[in-house]
Formats: sequence, structure tokens, C-alpha cells
Amino acid sequence: RKEVEQDPGPFNVPEGATVAFNCTYSNSASQSFFWYRQDCRKEPKLLMSVYSSGNEDGRFTAQLNRASQYISLLIRDSKLSDSATYLCVVRKGGYQKVTFGTGTKLQVIP
Amino acid sequence: GAGVSQSPSNKVTEKGKDVELRCDPISGHTALYWYRQSLGQGLEFLIYFQGNSAPDKSGLPSDRFSAERTGGSVSTLTIQRTQQEDSAVYLCASSWTSGSQETQYFGPGTRLLVL
Repeated sequence: RKEVEQDPGPFNVPEGATVAFNCTYSNSASQSFFWYRQDCRKEPKLLMSVYSSGNEDGRFTAQLNRASQYISLLIRDSKLSDSATYLCVVRKGGYQKVTFGTGTKLQVIP
Repeated sequence: GAGVSQSPSNKVTEKGKDVELRCDPISGHTALYWYRQSLGQGLEFLIYFQGNSAPDKSGLPSDRFSAERTGGSVSTLTIQRTQQEDSAVYLCASSWTSGSQETQYFGPGTRLLVL
């Protein structure tokens, strides 16, 4: 089983729609969680960290479910500019390396 | 301030030749990662440096790949006797870990093409 798993998609959604992605992780000792965004032919960039109580940044909401070992990303009122690949990232703790999922591709359609 | 830089931005080489890829991380970042990404694929972890600790080399695909980080700063990824399957974008990222928080800053990558 992979350490971090994501549905590769693509998710094709119309503008204005709400879309959610899940990401599962295998190690229950994982402590830190993040969502990154990668545009086509660009490098990944941090979108948001994921906190235990859940957190929101504008149209983006991240949730953590430790019991079921998954994190989620909800995007409301999708924009064309949201089209990208969304990468789930997990770190066990301390100075251990992070692990990236393979990403979920989102295409927002006019 | 300056971000992560990588050089060269593009490299075309012939099968069997050695290549060196360079990464200049953000000053003060203790962690440095190398990844490889083939077209349309996810990030493939190669190697991780953290401070003065021994590097985590568990992602290196073969003994043709090696990396070093001198003085806790600049890193070089070397691929010996390149093969066509080594063609990919090689991404470097650096970060500074503070408790549970760690933001990775990626360089623009080196696009390697092995003919």
C-alpha cells in the first residue's frame, strides 16, 4: 500500500461548482499534512497546511480525519484558474521527510 | 528574497554521458530534497538532506544516481552513464522545519533529455 494515495482524476467540473478531493495515508503516526498545487509544467507550490481542527482559506477548506486516516480539500465556487493538479503531502514528524501523493487533476470548464 | 534556483534549466545529453544538476536552496533552509517528475506523472522522491544528518537515499533508482550537499547549502545531483529513461524534470526543494510546519519551496527544475 502506498504511503499516500490520491484519486488521479481528472475531475472535470463547471465554473461555480463545489468539488472535493480526498487523500488517504497509511501511517497512523503521521503528524503534518499539507495541500500543494501544481500548474502544468510548473513546480509545486504550497496551497495550505491542514490543521487538526480543519481550516479555511477563502474558497478552500481543508479537513483532517485521523480516525480514518484521510485529509480532504474542498473548493467552493470553482474558477477557471483553479485548474491544476492538487498534491497531498504527509510528514510523520520531527525531521522525517515528507511524502507526496501523485496528485489529483482538476479541470474547471467554462 | 531569492528563491530556490536550479541549473541548468535544460540539458540535452547523449546516452552514456554523465550529467550534473545543481540546486541552490534558500539560505538558512536545513532540508533539501531532490525529486524526479516524468511527463504527466507524479513526483518521485530521490534523496533528502536534513542538516548534518546522513542523507536519506532510499529513493535513488540505481547506483548511477548520487547526490551531495556541500557545506549544508548547494547540492549537486549526478547521473552517470545516462539512459533514455532518465529523461524527466528534476526538481529540487528546500525547507525549514519548525515543529509541525514545513513549507517546501521548489526550484523551477532542470529538464533533462537523454537522446
